[in-house]
Amino acid sequence: AQKVTQAQTEISVVEKEDVTLDCVYETRDTTYYLFWYKQPPSGELVFLIRRNSFDEQNEISGRYSWNFQKSTSSFNFTITASQVVDSAVYFCALPYNQGGKLIFGQGTELSVKP
Amino acid sequence: DVKVTQSSRYLVKRTGEKVFLECVQDMDHENMFWYRQDPGLGLRLIYFSYDVKMKEKGDIPEGYSVSREKKERFSLILESASTNQTSMYLCASSPPYTNTGELFFGEGSRLTVL
Repeated sequence: AQKVTQAQTEISVVEKEDVTLDCVYETRDTTYYLFWYKQPPSGELVFLIRRNSFDEQNEISGRYSWNFQKSTSSFNFTITASQVVDSAVYFCALPYNQGGKLIFGQGTELSVKP
Repeated sequence: DVKVTQSSRYLVKRTGEKVFLECVQDMDHENMFWYRQDPGLGLRLIYFSYDVKMKEKGDIPEGYSVSREKKERFSLILESASTNQTSMYLCASSPPYTNTGELFFGEGSRLTVL
């Protein structure tokens, strides 16, 4: 069955600290995509990244980086030098069945304090 | 700028009332989704639709119905609201025929049932 697990419910850090959000997934598919979304206090989920299971290279975008490891079924998200604006709930997601439906993890609430 | 608009950000209803949550997207997307968000449970799929007048059940459809009379509008209906339906409801849309595309979300509707 398709499943996404984010074991960290809440994380609190002080500004400028690095923080890693964990995501572990289960899928019956041999090829698949993985996603991360950010939900700021306004409520609207915002797409951050999509990764293809073919490509296990780490991805970096500014202060954000993603570590995809197929061997451990993990797709972890690291924020370097965190800022207060990074405070949000972050969701990892995996498509299931067809048609663009996503299954989401439980979410990790990140609080970055000044 | 692409947009998914949910008609009400906050609603308070009484047990037994009929509740309509409206969602409109301006991106001409075929796919539309209703998710429910609860702490510790992440987002769970209630219903989705791939086309006008088409609907399919998601993972937790009990107590809900939907309507898609026009391509841009997808309504979630609680026929007789109950307290366990107090939650955040998120509407999303996406282009057709893809497990690779991102979802575009509205800002959510927070429903309280008393």
